[in-house]
Amino acid sequence: DGGITQSPKYLFRKEGQNVTLSCEQNLNHDAMYWYRQDPGQGLRLIYYSQIVNDFQKGDIAEGYSVSREKKESFPLTVTSAQKNPTAFYLCASRPAGGDTFYEQYFGPGTRLTVT
Amino acid sequence: SQKIEQNSEALNIQEGKTATLTCNYTNYSPAYLQWYRQDPGRGPVFLLLIRENEKEKRKERLKVTFDTTLKQSLFHITASQPADSATYLCALGPYNQGGKLIFGQGTELSVKP
Repeated sequence: DGGITQSPKYLFRKEGQNVTLSCEQNLNHDAMYWYRQDPGQGLRLIYYSQIVNDFQKGDIAEGYSVSREKKESFPLTVTSAQKNPTAFYLCASRPAGGDTFYEQYFGPGTRLTVT
Repeated sequence: SQKIEQNSEALNIQEGKTATLTCNYTNYSPAYLQWYRQDPGRGPVFLLLIRENEKEKRKERLKVTFDTTLKQSLFHITASQPADSATYLCALGPYNQGGKLIFGQGTELSVKP
């Protein structure tokens, strides 16, 4: 059964702690993306990766870091430098990067609450 | 500045009617536009993709139009059902951006029986 998994579904952390959100896909997709969604807002791109061992900053990368050591995995670390980390985080993948006409497949999301 | 705007107000319609959602954009030249459905607390699900050289796309009860002169896409759900109640997101795919999508803020649709 192919898809994208994100874990955990809910995550609670104290301010000042780094936290890593997991994203795994078994769709054999090359490109992967991380988005942040705040109430009443659309998705904003944090980081994306078109190929293993390569990634680019999105529109709101400050305070976040990623790695892409394996095709299937694209973990996101929310660092203590992120000013407002409480949000709903969504991971997505796509068969290829570049100007190809593919949709993105989304995971179920992780709701992070930092107090 | 670049901007994508969807109907800011929630849309409430009666079952059986046609729902029409709007997506307007400025200062973009998208290669394509996509529409997604998002249920509360879940990830978006892809519905339709329309390319810049296409005027209209249909899938079952869904229809999307794309007017690059007006810089607007319309998303229609015909014979709407309460199960169609969700938030609908439009997303632009710019050229030479590695497959990135630029999302609108979404329109919440509520279909009453």
